[in-house]
Order: sequence, then C-alpha cells, then structure tokens
Amino acid sequence: AQKVTQAQTEISVVEKEDVTLDCVYETRDTTYYLFWYKQPPSGELVFLIRRNSFDEQNEISGRYSWNFQKSTSSFNFTITASQVVDSAVYFCARSEGEYGNKLVFGAGTILRVKS
Amino acid sequence: DGGITQSPKYLFRKEGQNVTLSCEQNLNHDAMYWYRQDPGQGLRLIYYSQIVNDFQKGDIAEGYSVSREKKESFPLTVTSAQKNPTAFYLCASSSPGGRNIQYFGAGTRLSVL
Repeated sequence: AQKVTQAQTEISVVEKEDVTLDCVYETRDTTYYLFWYKQPPSGELVFLIRRNSFDEQNEISGRYSWNFQKSTSSFNFTITASQVVDSAVYFCARSEGEYGNKLVFGAGTILRVKS
Repeated sequence: DGGITQSPKYLFRKEGQNVTLSCEQNLNHDAMYWYRQDPGQGLRLIYYSQIVNDFQKGDIAEGYSVSREKKESFPLTVTSAQKNPTAFYLCASSSPGGRNIQYFGAGTRLSVL
C-alpha cells in the first residue's frame, strides 16, 4: 500500500512558539490531492487545506502555512505563534483510487500547546 | 444548517450482537464514507458509496455491512463477526472525485460490554 507517513507522534510546544508538522507520502499516481485535517477533542475532523499535485505554490492562511515539495513527496504544515486552541490531532491525507475518490490517512500528530 | 449527523454518540455492544451506526447528511453529496479510528492510528476506510444503491469495500470491510437506499443516509452495521469492534467510527460525505473535500460527522464511539 502506498503510505502517508507522519513521523511525529506527539509534539509539545509552549504558546507563541512556531511548530511544523511533517507529512511524507508515497504515490504512483501523477494526479492526486493532498489534505490536512484537524481533530479537536470533540472528535470531528475539520478540513484545513487541499492541494493538487500540480500546484507546488506554498500557501498561507493566517497563522497557518503549508509547504508542498513534490520532489521529496512532502506536504508540511506550520503553525506560527501557536495558541492553546491549536491543541489537537492533525492528519495528513492523500487521495487514492481509480477516480481519486478515497483518502489514505497518516497516523496523525498530537499537538499539545501549553500556556 | 448543513452537515453530517452521526448517532448515537456512544454505543455499547454485547458479545454476539449486531449494532447499527447511523449517518445522515443534508449536504446533497453523492458520496459517503465510513472510517474506523483506533488510538495511534490514522483513519482506515471501511466502506464507501459513490451513488445510491451502490457501495464498495474499503481496506477493512470484514465484519461490517452497509446499505445506501437513500442519498442522505449511509448506515453501518457492525456484525458479530467483527471480533474487535471497539473504536471510534467516523462518517464522511463529499461530491464524487478526488479533488472534492470530505466533510466529517462528530463520530460514534463503540465499546464492547
């Protein structure tokens, strides 16, 4: 199976620190999509970003930014000036399947932001 | 408000019992999905449906069954054949196609008595 790897199981930071969550994926597809989701303690996954394989531009949304490097099959996520409310599990995922209609998830990274 | 509703939030299963988890969406999405989440693991796909009256097995379909009789509904039955059913179950929906974002419900936590 073509995996999505989030090597950091858990990260702890102090509020206002910057933190980067790593994501490395495997794929034989030429066209695919990458996603990041946030899972707060309530359990529901919240969509953060989608990126297609042809668009390697980095993206910034407020305190969040994403770095997509196709050459290294990585799609890393950085939170700038972290806040306690950022504490959650973060999942990286990649589309798969004949029509790209399935998602393969990484194991997730638990982020703990301490005040 | 548009969204995905999963019920119940908590469910307990006795040995040998089948239980059904409900998932309803009012987003007018054609595609629906069921995932299982275990501690320290990502989400694993159980079943998915791209259209009414059609569904496909995911990576861990054994011991589970689904139906898709209505566009809005995609119930999951955890059968007695599933020997390790304790997990967090998440339902999602999307428009068909890999570019489309999957939106998730709040989940059902299933435990064995």
